Amino acid sequence: EAGVAQSPRYKIIEKRQSVAFWCNPISGHATLYWYQQILGQGPKLLIQFQNNGVVDDSQLPKDRFSAERLKGVDSTLKIQPAKLEDSAVYLCASSFSWVEQFFGPGTRLTVL
Amino acid sequence: GDSVTQMEGPVTLSEEAFLTINCTYTATGYPSLFWYVQYPGEGLQLLLKATKADDKGSNKGFEATYRKETTSFHLEKGSVQVSDSAVYFCALSESKETSGSRLTFGEGTQLTVNP
Repeated sequence: EAGVAQSPRYKIIEKRQSVAFWCNPISGHATLYWYQQILGQGPKLLIQFQNNGVVDDSQLPKDRFSAERLKGVDSTLKIQPAKLEDSAVYLCASSFSWVEQFFGPGTRLTVL
Repeated sequence: GDSVTQMEGPVTLSEEAFLTINCTYTATGYPSLFWYVQYPGEGLQLLLKATKADDKGSNKGFEATYRKETTSFHLEKGSVQVSDSAVYFCALSESKETSGSRLTFGEGTQLTVNP
């Protein structure tokens, strides 16, 4: 069974630029999550989708971050404009049930 | 709100030593508890889980018991190997109407096992 796919794996941009990350969840998983993991910290949930609807985006900085999940499958997370403090690993996860989430390899973002 | 506190790291052990990584939590309801592991250059992997009080999760020689009275979920292994070197995250999930099933993670504990 294929795992959660993410791209790109690495991205370096300058502050005030925009960036987008892509996630393809495990086939059949209705729930998709985006987490931000700052170096030395645990992951923090940014947004959770159930099919193509948003369940929880309470910790998403909506002035610069946006996410969508068209057709309830793939998802894109965008940052515009990026700040230095956005440097982190962005993890995508998916789940079939609420008990276990499967994580992708992550995208490491460096903002200069 | 929900929170998870892990013992501070990093932890360095010799091969075959006993491992304990402490984890305590704060939650309003009855959460499920998890240990995730992150090997260098890889994504998070579920190591073990427990969904109710007194449950014991186990996998690959690791164990953790859900202790409601002490709000703890300590990770243990009797004899660590070099291949266990990784970052370990304790996490909880409360399934709620308003917040779905988000995972709340601890800060992570870096484990290094030397031959």
